[in-house]
Amino acid sequence: GDSVTQMEGPVTLSEEAFLTINCTYTATGYPSLFWYVQYPGEGLQLLLKATKADDKGSNKGFEATYRKETTSFHLEKGSVQVSDSAVYFCALRPWTGALNFGKGTSLLVTP
Amino acid sequence: EPEVTQTPSHQVTQMGQEVILRCVPISNHLYFYWYRQILGQKVEFLVSFYNNEISEKSEIFDDQFSVERPDGSNFTLKIRSTKLEDSAMYFCASSEGGNNEQFFGPGTRLTVL
Repeated sequence: GDSVTQMEGPVTLSEEAFLTINCTYTATGYPSLFWYVQYPGEGLQLLLKATKADDKGSNKGFEATYRKETTSFHLEKGSVQVSDSAVYFCALRPWTGALNFGKGTSLLVTP
Repeated sequence: EPEVTQTPSHQVTQMGQEVILRCVPISNHLYFYWYRQILGQKVEFLVSFYNNEISEKSEIFDDQFSVERPDGSNFTLKIRSTKLEDSAMYFCASSEGGNNEQFFGPGTRLTVL
């Protein structure tokens, strides 16, 4: 069945450091791919998405490119801020229906 | 900005008791979902609901679980006889269409003692 694997956390970075959180997937067909973020005490928020191969999703300085050849959707940001501290979830979804999430990666950014 | 709300934020119950978790989806949304996250594990899909019936459910969603839209605004998840392993964070989500963005509520933390 479909599955998502993302790097284990926690990830600790200094402010302005470069961020990469790896995400790979296994799926039949051509799923849509997502990154969700969960700030402390809040629900999951959609950060960015890509619906087909080679699409790049971007939002708030974060980017991820849908790579079909490597079945990956790695999240990157050039310069993280303390306010980016959160848990980040990679997810996939077939054309419609349920989201299939990875385990989440906790990011802590220190001043 | 419209948002999904959930009540209560934290529910503590004894094993074997029934619990009802409540959600108010965004008002013009037609698709509703429940997910759960056991501490330290991934967020898992439970069930989706459209047009007053279940459209999809996972293996987790067994006979102990049920969902209902009792009125025009609420969407509930009932667990008939809670087990220790039902302890988790339960998230409600809604979307306009089946392939639109799902908006999540803040979650209800269920603790079964």
